[in-house]
Order: sequence, then structure tokens, then C-alpha cells
Amino acid sequence: SQQGEEDPQALSIQEGENATMNCSYKTSINNLQWYRQNSGRGLVHLILIRSNEREKHSGRLRVTLDTSKKSSSLLITASRAADTASYFCATAPDTGRRALTFGSGTRLQVQP
Amino acid sequence: DAGVTQSPTHLIKTRGQHVTLRCSPISGHKSVSWYQQVLGQGPQFIFQYYEKEERGRGNFPDRFSARQFPNYSSELNVNALLLGDSALYLCASSLTPSTDTQYFGPGTRLTVL
Repeated sequence: SQQGEEDPQALSIQEGENATMNCSYKTSINNLQWYRQNSGRGLVHLILIRSNEREKHSGRLRVTLDTSKKSSSLLITASRAADTASYFCATAPDTGRRALTFGSGTRLQVQP
Repeated sequence: DAGVTQSPTHLIKTRGQHVTLRCSPISGHKSVSWYQQVLGQGPQFIFQYYEKEERGRGNFPDRFSARQFPNYSSELNVNALLLGDSALYLCASSLTPSTDTQYFGPGTRLTVL
């Protein structure tokens, strides 16, 4: 079963604009990760934030985590047409095994 | 270094048949996980293997089985295929089962007719 929901399900913006995607989850976690998927192929790891962290940056990506609300957001600044893809959040439980539980994804379309 | 590789890329089967999917992890990675991604949804965890032993299993029927070989490559087997098994099957490798970052392969697209 899916861990939670991502919001919005689909997002269409113009190149240069910022894109914000939200993710909610249900159980306690060790970490939360964001992945990108192009055209239904393999997943590319973007960024990982641990449960004791509140914010993390990587290039044009900014991730926040609120464990009290069991939610996370991914911000992509100054978007490019190449950012067009599906974005998934995935949580890893606070047990030894890091089997990921994925959300339902946000489809991002960046118009040139 | 080569990434995670999966074969075949695409596969078409009919209901009731059996299928075997293959995965080679990144060199040095000893843990392999399998995920099923139905169109329009996020991946769902099927199995995790480490050192040839099953370390975890998701909520999938016994028609699904897997194994890991001494070279850490892995096979996913699905028996008695159903139409609902049509999906992208993703393999991910990591150093150990508790390693945070998993690296995904390109997937195998299975279509069951």
C-alpha cells in the first residue's frame, strides 16, 4: 500500500517559475527521500532528509520535513523544461531494513 | 562504474504464464530490492535480499518469488500471471539493507495479455 499522498497530482508551470510539491506520510520514519522518474523509466535519487533534520538544500532543490505533521515539501527553483518528470517521495522506516514506501507522485510539466 | 542493470527491457506474456526478471546490482552492492510500479502509481516494495537471504517481503501473493545469487545478482519470478501483474518492475541496489540510498535500474516493462 502507498505510505501517503502527494499533492498536487499534477502541476504545470512556465520555465523559470518555482515548483512546490507536498508529501504526507503515516508512520514514523528514519528518513524521507525524493526521486524523479522520466517517462516511466528508472528512478533517480534527488535528495534525502533524515528525521532529525528540518531543511536541506541541493542545487536548485530545497526539501523541508515536519515530523510532527508527517509531511514534507520539495521546492524546485527556477524550473527548466528538463525538470519535466514525475516526482515521488519515499519514506524509510526507523527499523534496520530500509524498504522504501512511496507516495503516489506528482507529475510536473514545465512549459518552455 | 556501471549502474544497476535489468533484463529484459520489455516483456509480453499471456495470462497463466511464468516470467523471470533479472537484475545486476552496482559493483560492491550486496543488497537488492524489487519494486512493482503499476501505471499511474508509485512503486510498491516486493522483496529485499541480502547475502542470498530474504530480508523483507511486501504484501504480494506467493506467486511472486525471488532469489539472490553468490555474485549478488537477483531474479524475480512470477507464476500464473494475471492481467493485474502488468507493471514496471524496478530493481534497486544498496550496500546493505540498512543503507539509506538505493540506486534504481531502468526497470522491466511487463505486459500481460
